[in-house]
Amino acid sequence: DAGVIQSPRHEVTEMGQEVTLRCKPISGHDYLFWYRQTMMRGLELLIYFNNNVPIDDSGMPEDRFSAKMPNASFSTLKIQPSEPRDSAVYFCASSPLLGIEYGYTFGSGTRLTVV
Amino acid sequence: KQEVTQIPAALSVPEGENLVLNCSFTDSAIYNLQWFRQDPGKGLTSLLLIQSSQREQTSGRLNASLDKSSGRSTLYIAASQPGDSATYLCAVGNNDMRFGAGTRLTVKP
Repeated sequence: DAGVIQSPRHEVTEMGQEVTLRCKPISGHDYLFWYRQTMMRGLELLIYFNNNVPIDDSGMPEDRFSAKMPNASFSTLKIQPSEPRDSAVYFCASSPLLGIEYGYTFGSGTRLTVV
Repeated sequence: KQEVTQIPAALSVPEGENLVLNCSFTDSAIYNLQWFRQDPGKGLTSLLLIQSSQREQTSGRLNASLDKSSGRSTLYIAASQPGDSATYLCAVGNNDMRFGAGTRLTVKP
């Protein structure tokens, strides 16, 4: 298995632009998680899905952030409009079971810089 | 809300030393606890996963223990090597997974 695949690896955009981050989970994993990592706040859970349905989005910082999972093999995290304080590394992770047996497998992350 | 704390925040040791990293959590009703390694600018690599019914897991020079009643886990690294230098993150699984801030380990040759 190729693992959790995220794209792009790096994204530099101007303030006010729309940014879309993409994630392909491991095939057969029912859970998908989006995390954000910054120096100040560490790793924060933004939202997670079970069988393509959003379960908990309480970590999404503002209405500018939205996430979708149209099918079992693809998810997007969108920021519109982007702001400099959104600069961070965004990780996607997937799990076959919710925190029970196998834990999580993380993608390599997308480093977002908003200028 | 689950709070995860890791101590120390940073640790520097000479090569060959045995060392212990600590993780504590506030809600003991967890499904599992996972230790990750993160190299600078890289993603997270899973090191050890301890299920809630287990007390410890071992992989090579690494040993992780879990004491749910006291809300603590330790990661023991034996005979440390410069290649062990990285940030080590503890994550606790309930309905989701919450992370500590990490311990930045430097092993000096």
